Amino acid sequence: NAGVTQTPKFQVLKTGQSMTLQCAQDMNHEYMSWYRQDPGMGLRLIHYSVGAGITDQGEVPNGYNVSRSTTEDFPLRLLSAAPSQTSVYFCASSYSAKGSGGYTFGSGTRLTVV
Amino acid sequence: KNEVEQSPQNLTAQEGEFITINCSYSVGISALHWLQQHPGGGIVSLFMLSSGKKKHGRLIATINIQEKHSSLHITASHPRDSAVYICAVGLDNDMRFGAGTRLTVKP
Repeated sequence: NAGVTQTPKFQVLKTGQSMTLQCAQDMNHEYMSWYRQDPGMGLRLIHYSVGAGITDQGEVPNGYNVSRSTTEDFPLRLLSAAPSQTSVYFCASSYSAKGSGGYTFGSGTRLTVV
Repeated sequence: KNEVEQSPQNLTAQEGEFITINCSYSVGISALHWLQQHPGGGIVSLFMLSSGKKKHGRLIATINIQEKHSSLHITASHPRDSAVYICAVGLDNDMRFGAGTRLTVKP
């Protein structure tokens, strides 16, 4: 089925470990983005990309890196995990940054840093 | 102060009732989105609005650009409408989200 595939669904990390959250879409969307969702705070934008080779920071980028080498893939890297990065992470894509046609979200990754 | 404020935070309704969820924002926007987050956590786009009103089935979304306010209405609510409804505003390439409204519809 067409959509956004996010892996893994669950992950437990130790403080200081690094990992990559994968996000792939097969809808030829130009815009891709990563969000974190924390209780009581709503979704917050971490990084976004408006096309292959182009990335930029969102509201809460510290501690995360991204790259966009292809239209389909937009991985999120945690460089040195901290307990403050415990959260649920969502990847989303759309035809444009404005969200034309709506956003398609991945199923989320629940990350716990101990 | 959050750039996007939603009200109410929680809403309980009886099946069949008319539901209204409100969203106010304090910044200039390129578009406003309504999202639905299911109890299992999945998020679905419901509407994108730049002006006026949109309708999809029992859901109606309106926006008043001058007043910086949007409403999401659900007619003839049903238990399957129980979810968290999230308002989000587009700022060029960035997005800001409300904290969400948790709706519970009882049979």
